[in-house]
Amino acid sequence: ETGVTQSPTHLIKTRGQQVTLRCSSQSGHNTVSWYQQALGQGPQFIFQYYREEENGRGNFPPRFSGLQFPNYSSELNVNALELDDSALYLCASSPQEGVNTEAFFGQGTRLTVV
Amino acid sequence: AQSVTQLGSHVSVSEGALVLLRCNYSSSVPPYLFWYVQYPNQGLQLLLKYTSAATLVKGINGFEAEFKKSETSFHLTKPSAHMSDAAEYFCAVRRGGFKTIFGAGTRLFVKA
Repeated sequence: ETGVTQSPTHLIKTRGQQVTLRCSSQSGHNTVSWYQQALGQGPQFIFQYYREEENGRGNFPPRFSGLQFPNYSSELNVNALELDDSALYLCASSPQEGVNTEAFFGQGTRLTVV
Repeated sequence: AQSVTQLGSHVSVSEGALVLLRCNYSSSVPPYLFWYVQYPNQGLQLLLKYTSAATLVKGINGFEAEFKKSETSFHLTKPSAHMSDAAEYFCAVRRGGFKTIFGAGTRLFVKA
């Protein structure tokens, strides 16, 4: 079975621009979560999608938005990029919504905002 | 609100020595706890998870962790460090719903 894949691996954007990051979940997984990991910090929860609907959100502004598609792949969109948005963005998928289900992480997308 | 505290942002051990990475959680009810490892420029890999079935949890690569409710701790150990263990380690907690909260991480250095 294929794992979680994210694209692109690296990205450089200019402040004020918009960016879309993509994630293909592991086969059979219907839940996708997105995390932001700033340099030297732990991952911070952005939001989660379950069966194409957002079912949880962390402390991130509305310019962070997402989608989940019928095949359970997902996108993270960030509008009006700020320098502080520079980080590693991680996508994680899990086979079902639940507290003790393991989340499988992708390699991440390194976003640099200049 | 639940949170996770990892004591020590950096830990250095010699190859073959005991590895001990500390994690304390705060939660009003027993949580589900996880340890993840992150190698440079990679995503997170699950080492082990506590789901209340047993207090001593064995994971991959020889790691294990013990859940101690009285101390609200979930420390990660490995009897003998290997050079390949050098990485960033994250303790995480999830109590209900969807949100996983990660600690700030502990970078493990292994000296030859």
